[in-house]
Amino acid sequence: KQEVTQIPAALSVPEGENLVLNCSFTDSAIYNLQWFRQDPGKGLTSLLLIQSSQREQTSGRLNASLDKSSGRSTLYIAASQPGDSATYLCAVMGGDSSYKLIFGSGTRLLVRP
Amino acid sequence: DAGVIQSPRHEVTEMGQEVTLRCKPISGHNSLFWYRQTMMRGLELLIYFNNNVPIDDSGMPEDRFSAKMPNASFSTLKIQPSEPRDSAVYFCASSFITGELFFGEGSRLTVL
Repeated sequence: KQEVTQIPAALSVPEGENLVLNCSFTDSAIYNLQWFRQDPGKGLTSLLLIQSSQREQTSGRLNASLDKSSGRSTLYIAASQPGDSATYLCAVMGGDSSYKLIFGSGTRLLVRP
Repeated sequence: DAGVIQSPRHEVTEMGQEVTLRCKPISGHNSLFWYRQTMMRGLELLIYFNNNVPIDDSGMPEDRFSAKMPNASFSTLKIQPSEPRDSAVYFCASSFITGELFFGEGSRLTVL
């Protein structure tokens, strides 16, 4: 059974810092991995999608990497801003033809002005 | 496209009442997912459909929960009878096969 873990559970950083959020998964047979952002009381917004054949994806100040063999992904946020404060979740889609997207519990990020 | 549309956004009901949550996926998407989010358990996959057919409902907590997708543009999640422990935010999401998943804004359910 696929399990997804995110570390740390919460993170507080001063504005301007570069930071890394971690995601690990137990079954390396995946179709893809997605990073999402969730603001309080809102739905989830897709940030980056990495297919299993890819090693990284970039969007603006965000860069996500994928290492299937070790079951890890990282989300790198450059030059953090207070507006980046949110919960970040990673999710993996199983490669067992189930097409299920299994979520981690998220990292709550606070960027202090 | 307007994105995934869910209704109602908020629902407050009394224990024992029937609750129906509705979802309109993004046009062209062929996979639809229902998730439930609580502080204690995080995001849980309840059921998902592929081409309107339920593929995996192993996450549906019990027989009180049922979901349907009569056509490609509409799905419902029904709870009958509702209980206080069903209080949560219910999300609908859609995608095209193994593509990017798009979420609705969620339906916040409170069962008194």
